[in-house]
Amino acid sequence: SQQGEEDPQALSIQEGENATMNCSYKTSINNLQWYRQNSGRGLVHLILIRSNEREKHSGRLRVTLDTSKKSSSLLITASRAADTASYFCATFSMDTGRRALTFGSGTRLQVQP
Amino acid sequence: GAVVSQHPSRVICKSGTSVKIECRSLDFQATTMFWYRQFPKQSLMLMATSNEGSKATYEQGVEKDKFLINHASLTLSTLTVTSAHPEDSSFYICSAREDEQFFGPGTRLTVL
Repeated sequence: SQQGEEDPQALSIQEGENATMNCSYKTSINNLQWYRQNSGRGLVHLILIRSNEREKHSGRLRVTLDTSKKSSSLLITASRAADTASYFCATFSMDTGRRALTFGSGTRLQVQP
Repeated sequence: GAVVSQHPSRVICKSGTSVKIECRSLDFQATTMFWYRQFPKQSLMLMATSNEGSKATYEQGVEKDKFLINHASLTLSTLTVTSAHPEDSSFYICSAREDEQFFGPGTRLTVL
C-alpha cells in the first residue's frame, strides 16, 4: 500500500508552544483522520475531516485539509508534556476500493516541560 | 464511541509456535475488520481485511498461509500467526468499521 508522507518526522518543542504537523497523500479521499499513539500503545482517534471540509477544530486541535494539494495539517496549540506521542494521519478512500485506512509515516512529537 | 478489544495484549513465544490473537467489537457488529502490523518506530501497515463469513483479503506481500484469519461471527475476528519466527515480532492492531475506524489496543508479539 502506498503511504502518505508526514513531516516533520520528529519535532521537539517547549511546553506552551504550538506544534504543527503536515501530511500529504496521493489519491483522492473521502476523509482524513488524525490519530495519536503513545509509545508502545494503541491508537487514539483525534479528529476526522471530510473531503468537503477545509478546517475543523476540537479543543486545542486544529486540522486543515487542502484537497487540491492533497495535504493536511494538524496544529496543537499551547502544547503540554502529555502531548508527547507519535501522530499519524490516515486517509479513507472509496475510490481505491480499499476500505482500510492508509496511514502516513508519522511525526514523533516531544514536548519538553 | 465504539469499542474494540484485543486479546492478549502481550505474548511472548518460542520460535516455531503458533499464536492466536482475538479482536472483538464490543458494542456493534462488524462485517469487516482490519488487521494492521506496526514495527518499531514505523507506521501501521495493513495486512489483511477480514470479512465475516468469507475469506480474508490479504495485502501484497502478506502470506495468507502464515497469517490465518478467521471471522466467524459479527463480533470476532482472529489472527493466527503460524510457526512464528523472530521477524514476526511486531505490534498487531485490529480495527473495525470503515470510514471511521475504531482500533483495538494492540497485541505486542515477541518471538524468541
